Amino acid sequence: QQQVRQSSQSLTVWEGETAILNCSYENSAFDYFPWYQQFPGEGPALLIAIRSVSDKKEDGRFTIFFNKREKNLSLHIKDSQPGDSATYFCAASDNNNAPRFGAGTKLSVKP
Amino acid sequence: ETAVFQTPNYHVTQVGNEVSFNCKQTLGHDTMYWYKQDSKKLLKIMFSYNNKQLIVNETVPRRFSPQSSDKAHLNLRIKSVEPEDSAVYLCASSYGSAADYTFGSGTRLLVI
Repeated sequence: QQQVRQSSQSLTVWEGETAILNCSYENSAFDYFPWYQQFPGEGPALLIAIRSVSDKKEDGRFTIFFNKREKNLSLHIKDSQPGDSATYFCAASDNNNAPRFGAGTKLSVKP
Repeated sequence: ETAVFQTPNYHVTQVGNEVSFNCKQTLGHDTMYWYKQDSKKLLKIMFSYNNKQLIVNETVPRRFSPQSSDKAHLNLRIKSVEPEDSAVYLCASSYGSAADYTFGSGTRLLVI
């Protein structure tokens, strides 16, 4: 059973647009939601994370919007660059167990 | 340099052989993990080790076994590999069960 779902396997945007990657979860006990970025040939790297007590977390061009009631969150990448092309994983944790990862969204940013 | 280091980067072997992958972290973390990433990029946790104790084993086949000498090292051994073992094996570490993982760059296994 997939506890963390990412709605799109792939997403293509043009350079300069805002990319929006969506994620939803089932377990109400999850309270920590990191996003990982993975480039080809590398391991995933922590990009940005949010706790369930917040509804927004911003770090430069990256923003997480979190809706606890709806059990979903989204990662917004403003002013997308070709260098942002990567696979993005949404994860969820209750801090007592290993996090559950979504299946990933492959983002392509076209110049 | 502080990071998670995996060797080898790439390994090709035949069905039935035994392989072993190494992982070392220099971050001072107390928990290490092995994940399998398949061709569709799905990440599946295989093992986690905390203070030399196995705390998660997500029903992996018995031919897989983790080996740890200390909290900075967690190796993965596969006895008698099978074609479906072809994947990328990612090692990671963290403080406790916190979700801020640091991953290694992975070992790509091809079983022919």
